[in-house]
Amino acid sequence: DGGITQSPKYLFRKEGQNVTLSCEQNLNHDAMYWYRQDPGQGLRLIYYSQIVNDFQKGDIAEGYSVSREKKESFPLTVTSAQKNPTAFYLCASSIGGLITTEAFFGQGTRLTVV
Amino acid sequence: AQSVTQLDSHVSVSEGTPVLLRCNYSSSYSPSLFWYVQHPNKGLQLLLKYTSAATLVKGINGFEAEFKKSETSFHLTKPSAHMSDAAEYFCVVSDGGNQGGKLIFGQGTELSVKP
Repeated sequence: DGGITQSPKYLFRKEGQNVTLSCEQNLNHDAMYWYRQDPGQGLRLIYYSQIVNDFQKGDIAEGYSVSREKKESFPLTVTSAQKNPTAFYLCASSIGGLITTEAFFGQGTRLTVV
Repeated sequence: AQSVTQLDSHVSVSEGTPVLLRCNYSSSYSPSLFWYVQHPNKGLQLLLKYTSAATLVKGINGFEAEFKKSETSFHLTKPSAHMSDAAEYFCVVSDGGNQGGKLIFGQGTELSVKP
């Protein structure tokens, strides 16, 4: 079945540690996105990538980093510079950045700082 | 700049009664508009989308939405609520021509359905 897979589902991080969230898609989509969701704040865009080896900052990129070395993969690293990383993270993909089609979402990763 | 405003953060209805979730948008271009639903601790699922075709859009699970350009609105409706409709709903605008396909999310409306 085609879709987007995020792993792990739950992740715990100690303060000062970097952690990497995985996002893989087999939909052959060019565009991929990372969103952060906090209660009552909707979804906020962290980073997005329209094509392999290229990505742009979203609205809240500070403290995060990404890579797009393969079309199907768009991992997100939450660095120690992110002051409040506890949140629900959602990865999404769409056919292309200049084509206004819907995005397909993964099931999310809940990150908790302990 | 594109933006979307969901007018209610929480809506409560009784099972079997109509549902109305309100959404207004702002866009400099002809927008594409979407409604997504999210159940607790899950990803988002597309309910329906408007992409400059028919202004009345039918989606899954009996939901529909009407694009009204004059009112810059895209309200989501359902004639009869079911308990399984309880979830959070997001109105989303996309402007591929200017923003490179970024999706702009509303703040979300939590729908509660009472028995």
